[in-house]
Amino acid sequence: GAGVSQSPRYKVAKRGQDVALRCDPISGHVSLFWYQQALGQGPEFLTYFQNEAQLDKSGLPSDRFFAERPEGSVSTLKIQRTQQEDSAVYLCASSLAGTQETQYFGPGTRLLVL
Amino acid sequence: GESVGLHLPTLSVQEGDNSIINCAYSNSASDYFIWYKQESGKGPQFIIDIRSNMDKRQGQRVTVLLNKTVKHLSLQIAATQPGDSAVYFCAENTDDMRFGAGTRLTVKP
Repeated sequence: GAGVSQSPRYKVAKRGQDVALRCDPISGHVSLFWYQQALGQGPEFLTYFQNEAQLDKSGLPSDRFFAERPEGSVSTLKIQRTQQEDSAVYLCASSLAGTQETQYFGPGTRLLVL
Repeated sequence: GESVGLHLPTLSVQEGDNSIINCAYSNSASDYFIWYKQESGKGPQFIIDIRSNMDKRQGQRVTVLLNKTVKHLSLQIAATQPGDSAVYFCAENTDDMRFGAGTRLTVKP
């Protein structure tokens, strides 16, 4: 079956632009996670949804970062007024139910802010 | 604070040898651990997991060992192949998942 998909795969933005990154989780997966991965580092947790409810957003680095999952399936991570330090790979993962289940990752969106 | 980390950033092995990748964790409340493999340009791929009520779990060519006494996790890959070359992350899962920085495994032909 289809895995987690993300789009776009690559995004170049000028500093100050807004960007929106999309995640399509595995069908039927209740939980969805966003991570930020800097070059040469492990993924860092950003936020977590269970269905449409955002249960944990403690990892979002600033109020410029916003995530939503309005219908409990597709999710969008929005970054407003992008800064150079936002350059990273943004990974989405989904799990069948909850944080204690295996998370399956998408290929990521590589964001470069110039 | 609590953290997940790896002992070695790089590991180079000969094709056919066994590989051992180590990981230390410090959150004694962690009860679920996962190993992921990440190839260049791809997202992390699940390899194997283990819960804290076990000390060993085997998969196909991979074994994960958990030593709760010293808070240590290891991934053993048998008969390492060139396709195993990647960055390997351990992750601990409590309220959220925390990854270590990763170990880059290089397999020499």
